[in-house]
Amino acid sequence: GAVVSQHPSRVICKSGTSVKIECRSLDFQATTMFWYRQFPKQSLMLMATSNEGSKATYEQGVEKDKFLINHASLTLSTLTVTSAHPEDSSFYICSARSGLGSSGGASVTGELFFGEGSRLTVL
Amino acid sequence: QKEVEQNSGPLSVPEGAIASLNCTYSDRVSQSFFWYRQYSGKSPELIMSIYSNGDKEDGRFTAQLNKASQYVSLLIRDSQPSDSATYLCAVGNSGYSTLTFGKGTMLLVSP
Repeated sequence: GAVVSQHPSRVICKSGTSVKIECRSLDFQATTMFWYRQFPKQSLMLMATSNEGSKATYEQGVEKDKFLINHASLTLSTLTVTSAHPEDSSFYICSARSGLGSSGGASVTGELFFGEGSRLTVL
Repeated sequence: QKEVEQNSGPLSVPEGAIASLNCTYSDRVSQSFFWYRQYSGKSPELIMSIYSNGDKEDGRFTAQLNKASQYVSLLIRDSQPSDSATYLCAVGNSGYSTLTFGKGTMLLVSP
């Protein structure tokens, strides 16, 4: 399957600092990437959709000024958690779609591949 | 509101048995269906995708789709302890739409 790489895998920071997480598609171009957050024993929660060359689309309840997303190229999207607080501690996962699927000749949503995830701990 | 429902489990099966994981979805126009496996502390890993009614087999895994019943399932034959994980069902529509994920079913395979 397609490869999505995420860095760093773990980060510990002090409250009030900012943290940047990178997500790269290694063997394909991704015009759209997705950022998820997952708290312990909880399901994946979509935070935002990152679009290359344009502004990200944020899900309801996600602060766009706190979670800055930049998708400057077809292979790189970054998520910056600004002024992080302990409640921002979570597992952040990016994902990208390598293309469209096909069913009966129609284009359908293609397979989504996830990065390794970044575990953020804010002290 | 699109919903994807899964039994949270845990589903416990002995080694060598068939594990059956089920998922229902609310959006009738859904066209793309995926099963992901997530080990504790790790990110989800794609196992199967299915787009048409019927069965799709890949090794020990078989995905089954019934669009009329809005039901998709994953069968794991000859279950191994290494299959113990949370299995996420995901559903999408057309083109580049986002996926809606279920909360996942925890599978425990005992030796």
